Amino acid sequence: DAKTTQPPSMDCAEGRAANLPCNHSTISGNEYVYWYRQIHSQGPQYIIHGLKNNETNEMASLIITEDRKSSTLILPHATLRDTAVYYCIVVSNSGYALNFGKGTSLLVTP
Amino acid sequence: GAGVSQSPSNKVTEKGKDVELRCDPISGHTALYWYRQSLGQGLEFLIYFQGNSAPDKSGLPSDRFSAERTGGSVSTLTIQRTQQEDSAVYLCASSLESVQKLFFGSGTQLSVL
Repeated sequence: DAKTTQPPSMDCAEGRAANLPCNHSTISGNEYVYWYRQIHSQGPQYIIHGLKNNETNEMASLIITEDRKSSTLILPHATLRDTAVYYCIVVSNSGYALNFGKGTSLLVTP
Repeated sequence: GAGVSQSPSNKVTEKGKDVELRCDPISGHTALYWYRQSLGQGLEFLIYFQGNSAPDKSGLPSDRFSAERTGGSVSTLTIQRTQQEDSAVYLCASSLESVQKLFFGSGTQLSVL
């Protein structure tokens, strides 16, 4: 599976949009981009995934660049409860996730 | 159950002892994964079960680690002769076949003294 690169930490003010970037420049054509988050002392939670089209659900939006080499997870109105570590991983639909990197630690401040 | 259940939630053991960690996946999920998360680190893949296929054990760090999945449901991760470096949170996840939307349990915090 392709490797991903994420900034180690980010801050966001409550109520503002949080935009979390992920670089996956070696992604293959059959690989999906998945996002998970891990709130302290809990197991990771699925957020969203996509192949090449932008995706939106009740939790977030996923913007994938046309060349698919990077993506951005958008939390439109961040709340304090969104403080967590966010992981971006790339997996083929016939494969399975190996290691998750250290992700981005998002701190939402009042 | 409604989600992935892991037990115990916390385990303290002495160096050299064997431990067993249990995972109950979501009913109907054929894929089951074990990960390890050391303090401040990401998730390290350990082992993957898919239906009746042979498991992928490529992530197990040593032969002291083993896992089994009985009846395609419950899984047990066993660590023999525990070492202090085995201290970590052990996370289990399940999913529908090869679909990558993983559902994680809350993990077992293992502390080896």
